[in-house]
Amino acid sequence: EDKVVQSPLSLVVHEGDTVTLNCSYEVTNFRSLLWYKQEKKAPTFLFMLTSSGIEKKSGRLSSILDKKELFSILNITATQTGDSAVYLCAANAGNNRKLIWGLGTSLAVNP
Amino acid sequence: SQTIHQWPATLVQPVGSPLSLECTVEGTSNPNLYWYRQAAGRGLQLLFYSVGIGQISSEVPQNLSASRPQDRQFILSSKKLLLSDSGFYLCAWSGVSYNEQFFGPGTRLTVL
Repeated sequence: EDKVVQSPLSLVVHEGDTVTLNCSYEVTNFRSLLWYKQEKKAPTFLFMLTSSGIEKKSGRLSSILDKKELFSILNITATQTGDSAVYLCAANAGNNRKLIWGLGTSLAVNP
Repeated sequence: SQTIHQWPATLVQPVGSPLSLECTVEGTSNPNLYWYRQAAGRGLQLLFYSVGIGQISSEVPQNLSASRPQDRQFILSSKKLLLSDSGFYLCAWSGVSYNEQFFGPGTRLTVL
């Protein structure tokens, strides 16, 4: 059965800290790995990763995929209170039209 | 650019009442459309998806149904709501590559 597992489930840090969020996956015919940020509303798209070892970067956020070990990480440097959110990871299995979602990591950044 | 609309934003309904949530997409043609439900503190549960008008795939047998009467319109319905139908309902669309999905603002449904 296809599955995506995120860790940790919850994390509390202080402003300025660097955090690493983990996402491991087991899906048939893996196609891509996606990261989303969800505040108290709908998820917003962050990154899509399809190739191993190529870092995607947007400001203080970056992500990389390891297709051999079947995982991805999302890094946030110099965290700010506005980074507080649930970060969701999803895998696209190419043979169907669905995303397989993890449960998310809830990040709280304290001032 | 593409935009996705959902309404209403918040809904409080009594048990046993009907439900109709609507989602529309602008700025794209023939999108794949999805309905998700997210319970408090839980992940996204895919309810239905559609690859074209009148084509609906159901992921979880339950008290809900979906319809796609027009290319960019997706409707989630129920004839009689249950308490367990409470949650945050999200509509999403994706292009022909089936990769990234983009979400509407969501509807918070409370069934009392």
